[in-house]
Amino acid sequence: AQRVTQPEKLLSVFKGAPVELKCNYSYSGSPELFWYVQYSRQRLQLLLRHISRESIKGFTADLNKGETSFHLKKPFAQEEDSAMYYCALSPPGVTGGGNKLTFGTGTQLKVEL
Amino acid sequence: KAGVTQTPRYLIKTRGQQVTLSCSPISGHRSVSWYQQTPGQGLQFLFEYFSETQRNKGNFPGRFSGRQFSNSRSEMNVSTLELGDSALYLCASTWGWRVGANVLTFGAGSRLTVL
Repeated sequence: AQRVTQPEKLLSVFKGAPVELKCNYSYSGSPELFWYVQYSRQRLQLLLRHISRESIKGFTADLNKGETSFHLKKPFAQEEDSAMYYCALSPPGVTGGGNKLTFGTGTQLKVEL
Repeated sequence: KAGVTQTPRYLIKTRGQQVTLSCSPISGHRSVSWYQQTPGQGLQFLFEYFSETQRNKGNFPGRFSGRQFSNSRSEMNVSTLELGDSALYLCASTWGWRVGANVLTFGAGSRLTVL
């Protein structure tokens, strides 16, 4: 069975400090991995996905297949980063798994001044 | 271009009633997925429709059903409502299926309260 684990419900950091939001997954094979973010009073939206290997708003995420992790990192936290972050996985497209996302329980990031 | 539109945004029902929620995807998107979001269970996948066919289904009882129309608009229905069905129901759309790493665009949700 596929599973996504985000061990921290709340992560509080000071502005300018490094941020690491942890995500571990369980899946038989190579899933597609994503980070979604929900800012206060806004819709859930994609932050980044592992196949793009991109940096969005200063955030990066490295896939570690050996540790089955996909942690989200940012070197210097900003106040506007305060939000709920969800790690998610979906089956690879070639398996016909469609777009079903399995989400973690989310981590609330609070950036304090 | 317009985003994913869900109606109604808020509704209150009583136990035993049924409810129908509607989702209009982004123009050109043919895949529509539904998720239930609750404080206790988080975000859980309900089902996905593509080209008017259900392609994926989550682990929900048969009281939860859906359909998709030829214009890609989708509805979900919950019959015989229970208190535990109180949740935010999110709809998401994307353009394709079986192509991998499709980015889902989410709607604002329909908040259902069951009394």
